[in-house]
Amino acid sequence: AQSVTQPDIHITVSEGASLELRCNYSYGATPYLFWYVQSPGQGLQLLLKYFSGDTLVQGIKGFEAEFKRSQSSFNLRKPSVHWSDAAEYFCAVGEGGADGLTFGKGTHLIIQP
Amino acid sequence: NAGVTQTPKFRVLKTGQSMTLLCAQDMNHEYMYWYRQDPGMGLRLIHYSVGEGTTAKGEVPDGYNVSRLKKQNFLLGLESAAPSQTSVYFCASTRTGETQYFGPGTRLLVL
Repeated sequence: AQSVTQPDIHITVSEGASLELRCNYSYGATPYLFWYVQSPGQGLQLLLKYFSGDTLVQGIKGFEAEFKRSQSSFNLRKPSVHWSDAAEYFCAVGEGGADGLTFGKGTHLIIQP
Repeated sequence: NAGVTQTPKFRVLKTGQSMTLLCAQDMNHEYMYWYRQDPGMGLRLIHYSVGEGTTAKGEVPDGYNVSRLKKQNFLLGLESAAPSQTSVYFCASTRTGETQYFGPGTRLLVL
């Protein structure tokens, strides 16, 4: 069975500092990988996705993520965070077909002024 | 183009009552999903559908039923609500090789 681990439940970063959110997955085949963001009381917004090809993917709002097959990781990065980035971030894995996504438990990002 | 919509946005039920959550999508997607989100648990798949008239169980199907009578609609039913079903419910849709698009969510409180 596939699984996703986000090791950090909470992360606090100063505004303007760099950010890296960790995601490790367990999956038998080549996975489809996603990062979603959720602001309080809101739905999920897709930040970026990896299906195939270049292992460094660019997303919206200045985020990027790198797929490392050898480490089964898909970490999310941003060079300089803004106060508006404070939210819950979810990593998810799927097979690209009909079976649905498996989500990590999320990382809550707090931005210090 | 409304994307994925969910009805209602918020509902309070008493234990034992029944209700149906409606999900509608206007993107002609084949696949539709119901997830629940609980604090500290991320999203977990309840049921899904690969096409009109077909449904399948996900990770946490107990206490829920679903129907997909029309391609654009996916209904989630609670026959006898329990406090453990207090959650935020998200619907999503997609087609092969594409991203899942999520609805805005339905907050359900079971007293």
